Amino acid sequence: AQKITQTQPGMFVQEKEAVTLDCTYDTSDPSYGLFWYKQPSSGEMIFLIYQGSYDQQNATEGRYSLNFQKARKSANLVISASQLGDSAMYFCAMREDRDDKIIFGKGTRLHILP
Amino acid sequence: GAGVSQSPRYKVAKRGQDVALRCDPISGHVSLFWYQQALGQGPEFLTYFQNEAQLDKSGLPSDRFFAERPEGSVSTLKIQRTQQEDSAVYLCASSLDSTTPMYNEQFFGPGTRLTVL
Repeated sequence: AQKITQTQPGMFVQEKEAVTLDCTYDTSDPSYGLFWYKQPSSGEMIFLIYQGSYDQQNATEGRYSLNFQKARKSANLVISASQLGDSAMYFCAMREDRDDKIIFGKGTRLHILP
Repeated sequence: GAGVSQSPRYKVAKRGQDVALRCDPISGHVSLFWYQQALGQGPEFLTYFQNEAQLDKSGLPSDRFFAERPEGSVSTLKIQRTQQEDSAVYLCASSLDSTTPMYNEQFFGPGTRLTVL
């Protein structure tokens, strides 16, 4: 069963606007972590942000924040003040704490327009 | 310091050939992961090592795939009798020990792009 769903295959956003990338997940494990990674055209995977299932506050890292809605099983990534360098593939991912592997979604390709 | 390195960056193999892909994790990183990323898809888990112990190999697609990490540092992913469906980018990632908070951050290498003709 697919555990991570990213419904936006591609998005176009004007530079300096905020952007929200959607992610929903499915798990029966009460303890888990959620991740977002960025993959530019060069191919490397860059860790952006992490949210634990028991964390009380939404995670933030600079311009990145994770909008965690546990009851809806939603973990959207919000990028504030987008920049041209934000153009890349973005992957939402999850790891159940009883396991070590990370399960990735299919990704969203973000295009920032000048 | 140096990040995760992988070699070769590109590999072209004829169907039926054996290939070996190398991963050098960040020094001191206990955990090492291999992923397979097909074109246009997200990475898919293959296998996981903690030091030299292979704790999870549930993602290996067939018995043609074999991974090792004999001394708990460098790891090799071997694919025997390659098939066209093995064409993908193979990503290696490493992280600190699972008991540390920073375990959550996996550092990825640049990947090896394998093309099987």
